[in-house]
Amino acid sequence: GQQLNQSPQSMFIQEGEDVSMNCTSSSIFNTWLWYKQDPGEGPVLLIALYKAGELTSNGRLTAQFGITRKDSFLNISASIPSDVGIYFCAGRAGFADKLIFGTGTRLQVFP
Amino acid sequence: DTGVSQDPRHKITKRGQNVTFRCDPISEHNRLYWYRQTLGQGPEFLTYFQNEAQLEKSRLLSDRFSAERPKGSFSTLEIQRTEQGDSAMYLCASSLLGGWYEQYFGPGTRLTVT
Repeated sequence: GQQLNQSPQSMFIQEGEDVSMNCTSSSIFNTWLWYKQDPGEGPVLLIALYKAGELTSNGRLTAQFGITRKDSFLNISASIPSDVGIYFCAGRAGFADKLIFGTGTRLQVFP
Repeated sequence: DTGVSQDPRHKITKRGQNVTFRCDPISEHNRLYWYRQTLGQGPEFLTYFQNEAQLEKSRLLSDRFSAERPKGSFSTLEIQRTEQGDSAMYLCASSLLGGWYEQYFGPGTRLTVT
């Protein structure tokens, strides 16, 4: 099935560093969501975006809905060990209710 | 406020057996979704319900798969004559109609077909 392109595929950073990741699509989306998934668990919703250009924060997390509506970005500031996990973007196109997920960015944080 | 729950969390079965998974959504949520996630991939949409009605099915949902939500509350996903390729994490999510399309996921059921 269709999956969105996420980059980078994986990141290894030191505690306290900032992190940026993005997600791109070949088609336009009306909604972008960012999730975090820990091993053996379901994805947990972090941020939801609904308008092109929208910038939304949730604590140390900030996400943006790209102006072209074909991309989205997630930034994590001052990373901590519990930020470790896989981050997925997900988009909703047109009037569809299903989500199309990205390939994931695996984040490792070293103390 | 309890989240989405799924049962069982893990299931090991032999090829050819039938399996059934259950999902209990967040209580006031009228939309329920099933996704499948294989190792190293993001979740892929299988099907979704609005109340009792199954509104969309993915091409991934072969004839061996059937999902129900008889009373508009919990849902079951059954796989008949399991194959090794069915090994995956099966995720359930729920959302509120008109609730900005935010889908909340359960912990998943990990299926291993031997």
